[in-house]
Amino acid sequence: AQSVTQLDSQVPVFEEAPVELRCNYSSSVSVYLFWYVQYPNQGLQLLLKYLSGSTLVESINGFEAEFNKSQTSFHLRKPSVHISDTAEYFCAVSDPGGSEKLVFGKGTKLTVNP
Amino acid sequence: KAGVTQTPRYLIKTRGQQVTLSCSPISGHRSVSWYQQTPGQGLQFLFEYFSETQRNKGNFPGRFSGRQFSNSRSEMNVSTLELGDSALYLCASSSGQVSTDTQYFGPGTRLTVL
Repeated sequence: AQSVTQLDSQVPVFEEAPVELRCNYSSSVSVYLFWYVQYPNQGLQLLLKYLSGSTLVESINGFEAEFNKSQTSFHLRKPSVHISDTAEYFCAVSDPGGSEKLVFGKGTKLTVNP
Repeated sequence: KAGVTQTPRYLIKTRGQQVTLSCSPISGHRSVSWYQQTPGQGLQFLFEYFSETQRNKGNFPGRFSGRQFSNSRSEMNVSTLELGDSALYLCASSSGQVSTDTQYFGPGTRLTVL
């Protein structure tokens, strides 16, 4: 069965500092990879996804993630964070075989301090 | 396009009661998936419905059930509520026809069982 590990449950950073949120998955087959963000009292919003092709994917708000097949990782990075990036971030995988089921990591709470 | 809507947003029940949650997908979407989010277990897949048929199911007891109507709206029912059922219940919709489709999440229903 697929599983996702987010190594850090909480990441505090100062505003304008770089950040990396780590995600590793376990699967011996191809997967689709996602990062979702959840703001307080809200549902999940898709930040970015990797389906195929270029291993570096970017979001419109400055986040990027790189798919590394050999290390089974999909770490999320941002070179300079803003206070508004404070939220919980979830890494997820799905099976390209057609299932809509997403398997999520436990989440990383990013807190950006002034 | 209107997003995924869930009703009610908040619900308080007592042990032993049953509850029904509703999810209206984005117009044109035929797949609805349900997830349970708790601090301890994180986000867990409950089930997915596509064209009124359950297409995938997670590892939850039979007290958790769902259905989908011809207009793609979905309901989730939990019978004989237990304290551990307290959670945020999220639904997500997608076209369901292509595995690369993005799932769009609603704001969730927060269920508290007393």
